Amino acid sequence: GNSVTQMEGPVTLSEEAFLTINCTYTATGYPSLFWYVQYPGEGLQLLLKATKADDKGSNKGFEATYRKETTSFHLEKGSVQVSDSAVYFCALSDRNTGFQKLVFGTGTRLLVSP
Amino acid sequence: EAGVTQSPTHLIKTRGQQATLRCSPISGHTSVYWYQQALGLGLQFLLWYDEGEERNRGNFPPRFSGRQFPNYSSELNVNALELEDSALYLCASSGGRQPQHFGDGTRLSIL
Repeated sequence: GNSVTQMEGPVTLSEEAFLTINCTYTATGYPSLFWYVQYPGEGLQLLLKATKADDKGSNKGFEATYRKETTSFHLEKGSVQVSDSAVYFCALSDRNTGFQKLVFGTGTRLLVSP
Repeated sequence: EAGVTQSPTHLIKTRGQQATLRCSPISGHTSVYWYQQALGLGLQFLLWYDEGEERNRGNFPPRFSGRQFPNYSSELNVNALELEDSALYLCASSGGRQPQHFGDGTRLSIL
């Protein structure tokens, strides 16, 4: 079945450091890929998305590129801020599973210190 | 534009009771999704409603059920509550094939 694998957290960084959170997926079809962010005490917010191979999603300084050859969708940011501290979820949706159903990774907690 | 709203924010029940959680989608969205975020289990898909009908269901027992009303709002009902049902229940909505937008969730605690 379809699945998403994320790197274990927490990821601890100092402010202005470079961020990479790895995400790889397994899917039988051609999934759309998403990154969602969850701030403490809140629901999930869509951070960025990519719907086909080689697409790059970007938002708020975060970027991720849909790599079909490596089945990856790694999240990057050049300079993190304390306010970026949150849990980040990689997710996919695939027509074969019912397009509207999201399959999530386990989440990666990011802690940014001043 | 108002986002997805869920109520109540917190709900405390005892084993064997029933819980009802409510969700109002973003205006214009016809699809509502329910997810369970339990500690250690991540986010699990529960149910998908569209145009008043259940379209897809995750791997949960029948005591998890719900419905969607003509105004596209939705209820999730959990009967015969068990301790393991303690979780954050997230509702999301979408229009067509657009990405899902989530509410802040209802935290259900079973004593």
